[in-house]
Amino acid sequence: AQSVTQLGSHVSVSEGALVLLRCNYSSSVPPYLFWYVQYPNQGLQLLLKYTTGATLVKGINGFEAEFKKSETSFHLTKPSAHMSDAAEYFCAVSLNYGGATNKLIFGTGTLLAVQP
Amino acid sequence: DTAVSQTPKYLVTQMGNDKSIKCEQNLGHDTMYWYKQDSKKFLKIMFSYNNKELIINETVPNRFSPKSPDKAHLNLHINSLELGDSAVYFCASSQDSPGGPVLSKTQYFGPGTRLLVL
Repeated sequence: AQSVTQLGSHVSVSEGALVLLRCNYSSSVPPYLFWYVQYPNQGLQLLLKYTTGATLVKGINGFEAEFKKSETSFHLTKPSAHMSDAAEYFCAVSLNYGGATNKLIFGTGTLLAVQP
Repeated sequence: DTAVSQTPKYLVTQMGNDKSIKCEQNLGHDTMYWYKQDSKKFLKIMFSYNNKELIINETVPNRFSPKSPDKAHLNLHINSLELGDSAVYFCASSQDSPGGPVLSKTQYFGPGTRLLVL
């Protein structure tokens, strides 16, 4: 069965510091992986996704993630944290449900706090 | 312009009541979803419709009934509300990708409906 595990339910960094949010996946087929961000009291917004091809994926707001098959990881990074990055981050793997429908299996989320 | 919208944004109600949440998307997508986010922020899919046809029906109590009157709308009706139904319910939509892998489809989420059952 496909799943994702996010290590660290809470991560705190200082403004300007490196952001590293960890995600490991389990999949019997080549995975399609997503990172979503949820700002307080809002819906989920796609940050980036890995489908095939280049393993380093660049997303919005300066975030990027690298797909590492040997480590079954898809960690999210940003070189320099900004106060506006404080949010909940979700890693997800896509599961085909048959036909034209997929469903997302989400990790438990990582709450990122950015200290001034 | 709002891509995926939900009404109401907040819903406070008593146990045993029946309530509906509405979702509309103006993206021209063919597939719509309902997700439930519990108090620990865990997100789980409930239902999915493709071209008004129910595709995904996860293990959800029969008290929950989705209805899709057309491709742009997916409503969620909940009968006999229970305390455990308190959660945030998200609607999402995605576009079929002819010739493209289904697994790569991005889902676009609405702002959520915060349901509190007292």
